[in-house]
Amino acid sequence: GAGVSQSPRYKVAKRGQDVALRCDPISGHVSLFWYQQALGQGPEFLTYFQNEAQLDKSGLPSDRFFAERPEGSVSTLKIQRTQQEDSAVYLCASSLGGVSSYNEQFFGPGTRLTVL
Amino acid sequence: AQSVTQLDSHVSVSEGTPVLLRCNYSSSYSPSLFWYVQHPNKGLQLLLKYTSAATLVKGINGFEAEFKKSETSFHLTKPSAHMSDAAEYFCVVTFVGFQKLVFGTGTRLLVSP
Repeated sequence: GAGVSQSPRYKVAKRGQDVALRCDPISGHVSLFWYQQALGQGPEFLTYFQNEAQLDKSGLPSDRFFAERPEGSVSTLKIQRTQQEDSAVYLCASSLGGVSSYNEQFFGPGTRLTVL
Repeated sequence: AQSVTQLDSHVSVSEGTPVLLRCNYSSSYSPSLFWYVQHPNKGLQLLLKYTSAATLVKGINGFEAEFKKSETSFHLTKPSAHMSDAAEYFCVVTFVGFQKLVFGTGTRLLVSP
C-alpha cells in the first residue's frame, strides 16, 4: 500500500512569504508527527496529533509555525512570514497510535524548504 | 531529559569489512532505542528497535545492535559492509507513552570498493 506522502517535495520562498506544506499519512494511522531537519542535523520534533487533536506542540520554534489536522487525516504545516532560518527539510511521520506501547513511525520523503 | 550522542559524524569502511556505528544515550526513564537509516532523497527507514526485551536486537539487512545499560550504549554493527549500506544513520531514543522521537545528529557511512 501507499506510504506517507508529502507535497510539495521542494519549495522555494522569498523571505516574508507564507508557505503551506501538506502531509498525507498512511490510511488508518491515528498519530501524525512533524519534524524539522536542518542541513547536517538530525530531525527535531515539532508537533504531534492524535486524530484531529494536537496533543503536543512543544517543538514549534515560534508562533509563525502552525499545524492542523482538521479531519484526523491529512495535515498541513503552515509557516507565516518565512525567515532564512526556516530553511530545512520538513518531515512528516504517521503511526498506528496508542500510548501504551511504541508504534513504529513511518516517514514521508520530506519537503525541502529554501527561503531566499 | 532524553538525548543521544552519536560519537562519529563520518565512518568509512571498505566493502566486506565490519561496520560499527556508536551511540550513547541519556534517559531518565527506561528507554526505547532505535536506529533509522536515511538514503539520499528517500524517507527515513527503521532498521531495528529495542523496547526492553532481548538486549541484542537484530534488524533488517544484517544489522544488529546491543543495548548495554551499564555503558548507556546502543552501538550498531554489521559483520560485512555492502556498497548499498552507504547512507546516513540516526540513533533515536524515546520511551513508552512519550510519542516524540529524539534523534542524534547522525553518522554518515561511506563504503568504498
